[in-house]
Amino acid sequence: DADVTQTPRNRITKTGKRIMLECSQTKGHDRMYWYRQDPGLGLRLIYYSFDVKDINKGEISDGYSVSRQAQAKFSLSLESAIPNQTALYFCATSEGTRETQYFGPGTRLLVL
Amino acid sequence: QKEVEQDPGPLSVPEGAIVSLNCTYSNSAFQYFMWYRQYSRKGPELLMYTYSSGNKEDGRFTAQVDKSSKYISLFIRDSQPSDSATYLCAMTQSGNTPLVFGKGTRLSVIA
Repeated sequence: DADVTQTPRNRITKTGKRIMLECSQTKGHDRMYWYRQDPGLGLRLIYYSFDVKDINKGEISDGYSVSRQAQAKFSLSLESAIPNQTALYFCATSEGTRETQYFGPGTRLLVL
Repeated sequence: QKEVEQDPGPLSVPEGAIVSLNCTYSNSAFQYFMWYRQYSRKGPELLMYTYSSGNKEDGRFTAQVDKSSKYISLFIRDSQPSDSATYLCAMTQSGNTPLVFGKGTRLSVIA
């Protein structure tokens, strides 16, 4: 089984809808991250969490919110989706102060 | 100036060629350097990790860091069609600061 899982893997939604992307991990890592990837723009950090009670904004947090429900679960919400949030979204994890991160398989989101 | 610059390619090479992928960066505080490989429709996977300057070898892959020039490289020897992917460099000052990624170089190895 994959160490980092993301659900759904693909999602089509309409402008204005609220959607949630979920991430779960079995690696036992304390730190979790949400990124979006766009062609030509690379990976950009949205939010990150060093533990259950810690949430930090990344480079592009506007229009997004997160919830760290447990050490193993980190959800990303789009309160009112807009077309320019169409992207590939990745969850990642890391352990303690180690620099290396481990990525999930991604969620492909299309906002119409 | 972007913190990390990486030529997006695409780079196309014949099977068996030596491939050189590079990133330059502007932040002299970066000490930890990584290369990730991302296959189409998959998440990035960690390929190489190095600390500070120097070389690290793992099979057909060699990562090289030159902090004085703010330049990192990934060499792939005897390239295979299965190496066809996007390669992302990433770096950070410490485990408590976010990773900064290059935009990735798309590589195709032609059989």
